Amino acid sequence: DVVLTQTPVSLLISLGGQASISCRSSQSLVHSNGNTYLHWYLQKPGQSPQLLIYQVSNRFSGIPDRFSGSGSGTDFTLKISRVEPEDLGVYYCLQRTHNPPTFGGGTKLELK
Amino acid sequence: EVQLVESGGGLVQPKGSLKLSCAASGFDFNSYGMSWVRQAPGKGLDLVADISSKSYNYATYYADSVKDRFTISRDDSQSMVYLQMDNLKTEDTALYYCTTGSYWGQGVMVTVSS
Repeated sequence: DVVLTQTPVSLLISLGGQASISCRSSQSLVHSNGNTYLHWYLQKPGQSPQLLIYQVSNRFSGIPDRFSGSGSGTDFTLKISRVEPEDLGVYYCLQRTHNPPTFGGGTKLELK
Repeated sequence: EVQLVESGGGLVQPKGSLKLSCAASGFDFNSYGMSWVRQAPGKGLDLVADISSKSYNYATYYADSVKDRFTISRDDSQSMVYLQMDNLKTEDTALYYCTTGSYWGQGVMVTVSS
């Protein structure tokens, strides 16, 4: 199975600051069709996960441009600029290139 | 507005059964693959089962931990997806989410305990 390793496990950020979360895969996430099925989710406290970024760098509907995704192959990054209170929660990466689909362990974003 | 509403959770004894249901609305259900993802208390996310759309022959996928115990199905005429859970174990205790990947329900709690 593909293992996704997220770092850091927790992140203390000041309001207005920038956060960067890494998701590293145990194998390339480039599908045979050329696409890379690496997605990012945010789970706010007490809520269901919400899709932020799909296929590495595409913001989902309604997601502000403060959120950006990048990367290729096995290394991916989610960046959150100008952190706001509603950005707090646990961030997960998910790969659907290989079966079984696997989630990263999560990164908890908290206020400093 | 996209809605996914799960039901059918509850408390069940080990080796018992439960059937979860998910009612979908607000999107072209027939065109979407559907998944069940669970989250044990205080833990991360685990994808339990997938079912593809008719276009992909309703192909299914199961996590090893639930293979031969859980069955995912769908009724496109009713925009419903189901998860039949048999021979439940205490480690199946979790909040179960129905999801398209893009959209998620609020989840339904399943507790397996004697």
